[in-house]
Amino acid sequence: EDQVTQSPEALRLQEGESSSLNCSYTVSGLRGLFWYRQDPGKGPEFLFTLYSAGEEKEKERLKATLTKKESFLHITAPKPEDSATYLCAVQAYYNYGQNFVFGPGTRLSVLP
Amino acid sequence: ETGVTQSPTHLIKTRGQQVTLRCSSQSGHNTVSWYQQALGQGPQFIFQYYREEENGRGNFPPRFSGLQFPNYSSELNVNALELDDSALYLCASSLRGIYTFGSGTRLTVV
Repeated sequence: EDQVTQSPEALRLQEGESSSLNCSYTVSGLRGLFWYRQDPGKGPEFLFTLYSAGEEKEKERLKATLTKKESFLHITAPKPEDSATYLCAVQAYYNYGQNFVFGPGTRLSVLP
Repeated sequence: ETGVTQSPTHLIKTRGQQVTLRCSSQSGHNTVSWYQQALGQGPQFIFQYYREEENGRGNFPPRFSGLQFPNYSSELNVNALELDDSALYLCASSLRGIYTFGSGTRLTVV
């Protein structure tokens, strides 16, 4: 069974204090790993898709990396507006029609 | 601004009732998926429609059903509501592998 876990469950950072969020996954044939940001009461907002181990993608203060077992979302010099829940999801080849398996998310709070 | 619109934004229903949630996707997005997100958890896949046919389903009972229409809108129907059905219901439409989520419908079952 496909599984996604995320750590930490919650993270509080001071503005400018860089850190990383972890997403560990177990899937039979990874088609893609997705990172989403979700603000309270809103739907997830797409950030990145990673397809193969070693791949990296960047967007502003965020950088996502992928290995065969986990993905990291690195946040450099975060600002209060980066506060949100960050969700990781996997999509497998064999159940492409089954869509995503999401992790529980990491709630990030960035204090001014 | 998201191209996926969901209605209503909030809804309160009584246990045993039936509910219909609606989603309007962007033109050309012929795949739509529905998810249930309980408080503090990640979204869980309910089902997916492609060109008006269901082509994938998660671990949800048959009282969860759906429809997709030619105008890229879709519905999620839930019969015989239970208290545990209280959640944020999200729809997502996709084009070339990029999935765009709506803001969701918050359903409360009392």
